[in-house]
Amino acid sequence: AQTVTQSQPEMSVQEAETVTLSCTYDTSESDYYLFWYKQPPSRQMILVIRQEAYKQQNATENRFSVNFQKAAKSFSLKISDSQLGDAAMYFCAYYSGAGSYQLTFGKGTKLSVIP
Amino acid sequence: ETGVTQTPRHLVMGMTNKKSLKCEQHLGHNAMYWYKQSAKKPLELMFVYNFKEQTENNSVPSRFSPECPNSSHLFLHLHTLQPEDSALYLCASSLSPGTGGQETQYFGPGTRLLVL
Repeated sequence: AQTVTQSQPEMSVQEAETVTLSCTYDTSESDYYLFWYKQPPSRQMILVIRQEAYKQQNATENRFSVNFQKAAKSFSLKISDSQLGDAAMYFCAYYSGAGSYQLTFGKGTKLSVIP
Repeated sequence: ETGVTQTPRHLVMGMTNKKSLKCEQHLGHNAMYWYKQSAKKPLELMFVYNFKEQTENNSVPSRFSPECPNSSHLFLHLHTLQPEDSALYLCASSLSPGTGGQETQYFGPGTRLLVL
């Protein structure tokens, strides 16, 4: 079974600085998708960024980028120029689609942004 | 209307009550999901519907009863719940498998449920 591990329960970053959130996963599949979701205190789970495993190029969405290391099964999220609105729970998630529609989530990292 | 909506946002119920959670998506998707989010635990997938047909039930107790009358609406009927069922219940939707893009799920704001 696939597992997703986020080893940092909480992190903090100074406003305008850069922070990296870690995620590792375990799978025997070769083709899959990885996601980072953000859940602010308002609770709405928002998709931040996605990565297809068959693509070597790291995904980027404005201030958010990933470092995808397929061999190491690592998928970290880098937030540049952190803003107060970035404060939230961040969840890493995995999807293989091979016979299941299930997104497997990590336990999340709570990010605080210090003004 | 935002993509995925859920009502009510908050619900308090006794163990003998019967209540229903509602989810509606306006994204043209055909797959819908119920998740349970408890404190300190990863999100747990409960049910999956694809074109109104239930395709997954992750060993959910029968006191939770899903209903999907069409591809845009999903309900979760609750009866004789236990206090440990208190959690945030999230609905999500996606394109259907085989169409491409089904791996990306879009979530509603959730219903915060408290069982007394």
